[in-house]
Amino acid sequence: DVVMTQTPPSLSVAIGQSVSISCKSSQSLVYSDGKTYLHWLLQSPGRSPKRLIYQVSNLGSGVPDRFSGTGSQKDFTLKISRVEAEDLGVYYCAQTTHFPWTFGGGTKLELK
Amino acid sequence: QVQLTESGPGLVHPSETLSLTCTVSGFSLTGYSVYWVRQPSGKGLEWMGRMRYNGDTSYNSALKSRLSISRDTSKNQVFLKMNSLQTDDTGTYYCTRANYFDYWGQGVMVTVSS
Repeated sequence: DVVMTQTPPSLSVAIGQSVSISCKSSQSLVYSDGKTYLHWLLQSPGRSPKRLIYQVSNLGSGVPDRFSGTGSQKDFTLKISRVEAEDLGVYYCAQTTHFPWTFGGGTKLELK
Repeated sequence: QVQLTESGPGLVHPSETLSLTCTVSGFSLTGYSVYWVRQPSGKGLEWMGRMRYNGDTSYNSALKSRLSISRDTSKNQVFLKMNSLQTDDTGTYYCTRANYFDYWGQGVMVTVSS
């Protein structure tokens, strides 16, 4: 199975600060069609996960443009510019290139 | 609008079978695939398997021997059955639309305990 490693496991931030979360995969996530199926989710406290970004850098519907995703092959980054209180929770990366689909261990974003 | 709603028993005894239902609205099961994802309490996410739009299924090999996913398109429902439950199967079970996880249900908490 593809192992997804997220760092850091937790982040303490102040409102308005910008932060980055790293996600590294044990194999390249480029599929045979040339596309990269790496996605980012946010799970707010007590809530179901919510998709933020799909295929590395595409913003989901209704997701603020404070969120951005970059990366390629095995190395990906989620950046949040100007963190707001509603951004707090656990962030997960997920890959749907190789079966079985797998998730990173999560990065918990907390308020400083 | 798109909705997914999980339902099922909150408590299952060890060695018994878990049966869950995901009822969807706002989209067709013949147009989109649906995944099952679970989350042990306080832990991360695990992809369990999928019901494809064409009726095919795929399973996480770690669960394949215990897991079965089926559907009733007339009722807009996807079903999960998992046998031989143990305490480490305790957690929240979600269904999610397989359009890169764009919509999720609220989840159903399942406790495996005698």
